[in-house]
Amino acid sequence: AQSVTQLGSHVSVSEGALVLLRCNYSSSVPPYLFWYVQYPNQGLQLLLKYTSAATLVKGINGFEAEFKKSETSFHLTKPSAHMSDAAEYFCAVSPYNQGGKLIFGQGTELSVKP
Amino acid sequence: EAQVTQNPRYLITVTGKKLTVTCSQNMNHEYMSWYRQDPGLGLRQIYYSMNVEVTDKGDVPEGYKVSRKEKRNFPLILESPSPNQTSLYFCASSSTSGRVETQYFGPGTRLLVL
Repeated sequence: AQSVTQLGSHVSVSEGALVLLRCNYSSSVPPYLFWYVQYPNQGLQLLLKYTSAATLVKGINGFEAEFKKSETSFHLTKPSAHMSDAAEYFCAVSPYNQGGKLIFGQGTELSVKP
Repeated sequence: EAQVTQNPRYLITVTGKKLTVTCSQNMNHEYMSWYRQDPGLGLRQIYYSMNVEVTDKGDVPEGYKVSRKEKRNFPLILESPSPNQTSLYFCASSSTSGRVETQYFGPGTRLLVL
Protein backbone atom coordinates (compact mmCIF):
# COMPACT_ATOMS: atom_id res chain seq x y z
CA ALA A 1 0.00 0.00 0.00
CA GLN A 2 1.06 3.52 -0.69
CA SER A 3 2.38 5.49 2.25
CA VAL A 4 3.86 8.85 3.07
CA THR A 5 6.35 9.38 5.87
CA GLN A 6 7.25 12.72 7.32
CA LEU A 7 10.40 12.56 9.42
CA GLY A 8 10.00 14.55 12.60
CA SER A 9 6.65 15.47 14.07
CA HIS A 10 8.11 18.71 15.34
CA VAL A 11 10.85 20.90 13.88
CA SER A 12 12.14 24.07 15.51
CA VAL A 13 14.29 26.67 13.74
CA SER A 14 15.45 30.18 14.46
CA GLU A 15 14.15 33.09 12.46
CA GLY A 16 16.32 33.49 9.37
CA ALA A 17 17.53 29.89 9.42
CA LEU A 18 16.98 27.27 6.76
CA VAL A 19 13.75 25.31 6.93
CA LEU A 20 13.91 21.65 5.89
CA LEU A 21 10.88 19.40 6.27
CA ARG A 22 11.31 15.84 5.10
CA CYS A 23 8.88 13.69 3.18
CA ASN A 24 9.36 10.22 1.72
CA TYR A 25 6.82 8.22 -0.21
CA SER A 26 6.56 4.58 -1.13
CA SER A 27 5.69 3.98 -4.75
CA SER A 28 7.29 2.24 -7.70
CA VAL A 29 5.65 4.70 -10.08
CA PRO A 30 6.09 8.41 -9.34
CA PRO A 31 2.87 9.79 -7.95
CA TYR A 32 1.64 13.34 -7.78
CA LEU A 33 3.03 14.98 -4.63
CA PHE A 34 1.80 17.90 -2.61
CA TRP A 35 2.75 20.02 0.37
CA TYR A 36 -0.03 21.68 2.34
CA VAL A 37 0.19 24.12 5.24
CA GLN A 38 -2.29 24.45 8.09
CA TYR A 39 -2.23 27.56 10.25
CA PRO A 40 -3.83 27.32 13.71
CA ASN A 41 -7.61 26.85 13.60
CA GLN A 42 -7.70 26.97 9.82
CA GLY A 43 -8.12 24.58 6.93
CA LEU A 44 -5.33 23.40 4.67
CA GLN A 45 -3.76 25.54 1.98
CA LEU A 46 -1.69 24.26 -0.93
CA LEU A 47 1.97 25.30 -0.84
CA LEU A 48 3.17 23.52 -3.95
CA LYS A 49 2.72 20.38 -6.03
CA TYR A 50 4.66 18.04 -8.27
CA THR A 51 2.82 16.54 -11.23
CA SER A 52 5.64 15.01 -13.30
CA ALA A 53 6.95 18.21 -14.86
CA ALA A 54 9.99 20.01 -13.38
CA THR A 55 11.55 18.22 -10.44
CA LEU A 56 12.24 21.46 -8.56
CA VAL A 57 8.92 22.97 -7.68
CA LYS A 58 8.46 26.49 -6.37
CA GLY A 59 5.48 27.36 -4.23
CA ILE A 60 4.03 30.23 -2.31
CA ASN A 61 5.69 32.13 0.54
CA GLY A 62 9.21 31.29 -0.68
CA PHE A 63 8.92 27.54 -0.24
CA GLU A 64 10.21 25.02 -2.73
CA ALA A 65 10.55 21.25 -2.94
CA GLU A 66 12.62 18.89 -5.00
CA PHE A 67 11.34 15.58 -6.30
CA LYS A 68 14.06 12.92 -6.16
CA LYS A 69 12.90 9.68 -7.69
CA SER A 70 16.02 7.74 -6.65
CA GLU A 71 15.42 8.66 -3.03
CA THR A 72 11.59 8.61 -3.21
CA SER A 73 11.69 11.95 -1.47
CA PHE A 74 9.96 15.31 -1.77
CA HIS A 75 11.52 17.48 0.93
CA LEU A 76 10.27 21.01 1.53
CA THR A 77 12.74 23.86 2.00
CA LYS A 78 12.81 27.57 2.58
CA PRO A 79 16.12 29.48 2.77
CA SER A 80 15.12 31.84 5.57
CA ALA A 81 12.39 31.19 8.11
CA HIS A 82 9.93 33.87 9.16
CA MET A 83 7.87 33.90 12.32
CA SER A 84 4.77 33.71 10.13
CA ASP A 85 5.90 30.28 8.85
CA ALA A 86 5.00 28.66 12.16
CA ALA A 87 2.31 26.14 11.26
CA GLU A 88 1.73 22.47 10.60
CA TYR A 89 2.90 21.11 7.27
CA PHE A 90 1.54 18.05 5.52
CA CYS A 91 3.01 16.09 2.66
CA ALA A 92 0.50 14.18 0.53
CA VAL A 93 0.58 11.78 -2.40
CA SER A 94 -1.94 11.02 -5.12
CA PRO A 95 -1.00 7.48 -6.21
CA TYR A 96 -0.58 6.73 -9.90
CA ASN A 97 -3.29 4.12 -10.25
CA GLN A 98 -5.78 4.98 -7.53
CA GLY A 99 -8.00 7.67 -9.02
CA GLY A 100 -9.28 9.93 -6.29
CA LYS A 101 -7.21 8.75 -3.37
CA LEU A 102 -5.05 11.23 -1.52
CA ILE A 103 -2.78 9.96 1.23
CA PHE A 104 -1.37 12.35 3.81
CA GLY A 105 1.66 12.11 6.03
CA GLN A 106 1.37 12.55 9.77
CA GLY A 107 2.31 16.20 9.65
CA THR A 108 5.26 18.24 10.92
CA GLU A 109 4.75 21.15 13.24
CA LEU A 110 7.19 23.95 12.53
CA SER A 111 8.13 26.36 15.29
CA VAL A 112 10.14 29.50 14.58
CA LYS A 113 12.11 31.09 17.40
CA PRO A 114 12.90 34.80 17.42
CA GLU B 1 -15.41 34.06 -4.12
CA ALA B 2 -14.31 30.48 -4.76
CA GLN B 3 -14.80 28.47 -1.61
CA VAL B 4 -15.73 25.26 0.13
CA THR B 5 -18.19 25.71 2.98
CA GLN B 6 -18.99 23.31 5.79
CA ASN B 7 -21.75 23.37 8.34
CA PRO B 8 -21.83 23.25 11.24
CA ARG B 9 -18.35 24.39 12.28
CA TYR B 10 -18.72 22.98 15.77
CA LEU B 11 -20.98 20.19 16.94
CA ILE B 12 -21.45 18.38 20.24
CA THR B 13 -23.71 15.35 20.16
CA VAL B 14 -24.38 12.11 22.01
CA THR B 15 -23.68 8.54 21.05
CA GLY B 16 -26.18 7.14 18.58
CA LYS B 17 -27.84 10.39 17.49
CA LYS B 18 -27.71 10.64 13.72
CA LEU B 19 -26.05 13.72 12.31
CA THR B 20 -25.14 15.23 8.97
CA VAL B 21 -22.30 17.58 8.16
CA THR B 22 -22.89 19.50 4.97
CA CYS B 23 -20.27 20.46 2.41
CA SER B 24 -20.76 22.70 -0.58
CA GLN B 25 -18.42 24.10 -3.23
CA ASN B 26 -19.02 26.82 -5.80
CA MET B 27 -16.18 26.01 -8.22
CA ASN B 28 -17.99 23.40 -10.32
CA HIS B 29 -15.45 20.79 -9.25
CA GLU B 30 -16.02 17.17 -10.14
CA TYR B 31 -14.04 15.75 -7.25
CA MET B 32 -14.97 16.05 -3.58
CA SER B 33 -13.62 14.31 -0.52
CA TRP B 34 -13.97 14.03 3.25
CA TYR B 35 -11.09 13.70 5.71
CA ARG B 36 -10.73 13.42 9.43
CA GLN B 37 -7.76 14.89 11.25
CA ASP B 38 -6.51 13.40 14.50
CA PRO B 39 -3.35 14.32 16.43
CA GLY B 40 -0.35 12.31 15.30
CA LEU B 41 -2.26 10.68 12.45
CA GLY B 42 -2.46 13.51 9.95
CA LEU B 43 -5.47 13.55 7.66
CA ARG B 44 -7.12 10.33 6.69
CA GLN B 45 -9.51 10.06 3.80
CA ILE B 46 -13.00 8.86 4.67
CA TYR B 47 -14.83 8.92 1.33
CA TYR B 48 -14.39 10.62 -1.99
CA SER B 49 -16.48 11.26 -5.07
CA MET B 50 -15.19 11.60 -8.61
CA ASN B 51 -18.51 12.99 -9.87
CA VAL B 52 -22.27 12.99 -9.29
CA GLU B 53 -23.52 9.58 -8.14
CA VAL B 54 -19.93 8.24 -8.03
CA THR B 55 -18.51 7.66 -4.55
CA ASP B 56 -15.78 5.43 -3.18
CA LYS B 57 -14.27 4.50 0.14
CA GLY B 58 -11.12 6.07 1.43
CA ASP B 59 -8.97 4.63 4.18
CA VAL B 60 -11.35 5.00 7.14
CA PRO B 61 -14.97 4.69 5.88
CA GLU B 62 -16.42 2.65 8.75
CA GLY B 63 -19.27 4.41 10.50
CA TYR B 64 -19.75 7.02 7.78
CA LYS B 65 -21.98 7.46 4.74
CA VAL B 66 -21.93 9.97 1.92
CA SER B 67 -24.05 10.89 -1.05
CA ARG B 68 -23.44 12.94 -4.19
CA LYS B 69 -26.76 13.83 -5.74
CA GLU B 70 -25.64 17.25 -6.93
CA LYS B 71 -22.24 18.37 -8.13
CA ARG B 72 -21.86 21.11 -5.55
CA ASN B 73 -22.88 19.16 -2.42
CA PHE B 74 -21.26 16.23 -0.64
CA PRO B 75 -22.78 15.64 2.82
CA LEU B 76 -21.16 13.38 5.41
CA ILE B 77 -23.60 11.30 7.43
CA LEU B 78 -22.94 9.61 10.75
CA GLU B 79 -25.89 7.25 11.26
CA SER B 80 -24.93 6.27 14.81
CA PRO B 81 -22.02 8.35 16.06
CA SER B 82 -19.62 6.92 18.60
CA PRO B 83 -16.98 8.63 20.76
CA ASN B 84 -14.17 7.39 18.50
CA GLN B 85 -15.60 9.61 15.78
CA THR B 86 -14.73 12.68 17.81
CA SER B 87 -12.43 14.49 15.43
CA LEU B 88 -11.84 17.47 13.15
CA TYR B 89 -13.42 16.92 9.75
CA PHE B 90 -12.49 18.57 6.48
CA CYS B 91 -14.25 18.60 3.17
CA ALA B 92 -12.25 19.31 0.00
CA SER B 93 -12.87 19.67 -3.70
CA SER B 94 -10.81 19.82 -6.86
CA SER B 95 -11.05 19.68 -10.60
CA THR B 96 -9.54 16.48 -11.86
CA SER B 97 -8.82 14.71 -15.08
CA GLY B 98 -8.57 11.38 -13.30
CA ARG B 99 -5.77 12.16 -10.86
CA VAL B 100 -6.18 14.34 -7.81
CA GLU B 101 -5.07 17.86 -8.55
CA THR B 102 -4.98 20.81 -6.20
CA GLN B 103 -7.58 20.38 -3.49
CA TYR B 104 -9.41 23.28 -1.90
CA PHE B 105 -10.31 22.70 1.72
CA GLY B 106 -13.20 23.86 3.79
CA PRO B 107 -12.65 25.46 7.22
CA GLY B 108 -13.30 22.27 9.15
CA THR B 109 -16.00 20.90 11.46
CA ARG B 110 -15.01 20.02 14.99
CA LEU B 111 -17.16 17.17 16.28
CA LEU B 112 -17.40 15.93 19.85
CA VAL B 113 -19.39 12.74 20.50
CA LEU B 114 -20.21 12.14 24.16
